[in-house]
Amino acid sequence: DTEVTQTPKHLVMGMTNKKSLKCEQHMGHRAMYWYKQKAKKPPELMFVYSYEKLSINESVPSRFSPECPNSSLLNLHLHALQPEDSALYLCASSGPLHFGNGTRLTVT
Amino acid sequence: GQNIDQPTEMTATEGAIVQINCTYQTSGFNGLFWYQQHAGEAPTFLSYNVLDGLEEKGRFSSFLSRSKGYSYLLLKELQMKDSASYLCAVVDSNYQLIWGAGTKLIIKP
Repeated sequence: DTEVTQTPKHLVMGMTNKKSLKCEQHMGHRAMYWYKQKAKKPPELMFVYSYEKLSINESVPSRFSPECPNSSLLNLHLHALQPEDSALYLCASSGPLHFGNGTRLTVT
Repeated sequence: GQNIDQPTEMTATEGAIVQINCTYQTSGFNGLFWYQQHAGEAPTFLSYNVLDGLEEKGRFSSFLSRSKGYSYLLLKELQMKDSASYLCAVVDSNYQLIWGAGTKLIIKP
């Protein structure tokens, strides 16, 4: 069982849809992360929240909007995505980094 | 620039031992991680080394030499379920995680 829970496991959305990915951890970690991973590539960092404040944004397009409602929750709001945004989206908390099971996103 | 090198692919036999190497050149060093990732799944934490030496955890061991910028992951008594990608990642001086491209390990009966 993973200590970082992500929902949904799979998501298919159109380019005009608005959806959200959710992540929850109860390990008391104060840093939470969103990563994007394409097939056969290592994870790419998107955002880092430290003590519920956005500390790193790796020049991610504005169609991805993160939110940290409290120390246990992390959301990623999606709007007007492109087919090339299809990937595995991983949430993690630290330390060390513990990953959730990911959301497999397909944009049609 | 920052660079982490690990072999792209390795093949080993069930029951044998395999060593996956990782060399790094980063701006500072605050620890090295090894993760296992099965296809289509999230990475799973295996080990963390911050001091020189060998850390053993069951069938898996990880070694670090900071002076050489070198680490290895040793897998003993290989099982078919060990077929996966193994990712080396280094924490740099800004506490950013720098990832290697991963080593795909293929286990044959």
